Amino acid sequence: DAGITQSPRHKVTETGTPVTLRCHQTENHRYMYWYRQDPGHGLRLIHYSYGVKDTDKGEVSDGYSVSRSKTEDFLLTLESATSSQTSVYFCAISESRDPIVYTFGSGTRLTVV
Amino acid sequence: AQSVSQHNHHVILSEAASLELGCNYSYGGTVNLFWYVQYPGQHLQLLLKYFSGDPLVKGIKGFEAEFIKSKFSFNLRKPSVQWSDTAEYFCAVKRDNAGNMLTFGGGTRLMVKP
Repeated sequence: DAGITQSPRHKVTETGTPVTLRCHQTENHRYMYWYRQDPGHGLRLIHYSYGVKDTDKGEVSDGYSVSRSKTEDFLLTLESATSSQTSVYFCAISESRDPIVYTFGSGTRLTVV
Repeated sequence: AQSVSQHNHHVILSEAASLELGCNYSYGGTVNLFWYVQYPGQHLQLLLKYFSGDPLVKGIKGFEAEFIKSKFSFNLRKPSVQWSDTAEYFCAVKRDNAGNMLTFGGGTRLMVKP
């Protein structure tokens, strides 16, 4: 596998609590993305990053924030988790010379109760 | 409205049957097209991609896809499926005005019976 890891792999949290998911890469790729996967909806883009401290919103960004203080780390934060954010979250990376060919992480399964 | 449609949500086939999964997109400009596969419990992996040139694209594991511009389609095919092809398949599109962003279809879950 390419050097991309997501943590935690599984998490159960209560409604209203903050949650941070981490994506870590060792490939030195410039671009990083957070998607959520839900049945029938495929993958939908939450936020993405073009580089350190350079992030932007995707299709379903409400309720989520991100930070990228280092090339290798892209953090996704749910400020106050809701049940509608129960999902599987995938991080992806891509490099400058082939930016639309993604490599995906193994995912984080988040359950908000 | 979803701009990438995969009309077959669930497909069940027997081994050695032929496979065709549909993918249609609703964008009139230039596109790049992808099929990703997600085996049970694993992350998404790239099966094949179309950027330009020959509209018939061959990917890994015997899969191929044909880009038909007039039909806005990029259907995935395999002549003879195996039990190990059981997975979920996602079509994705990159529009020419969307930077690096891919838009995914809703996925098709394929089960191959041994």
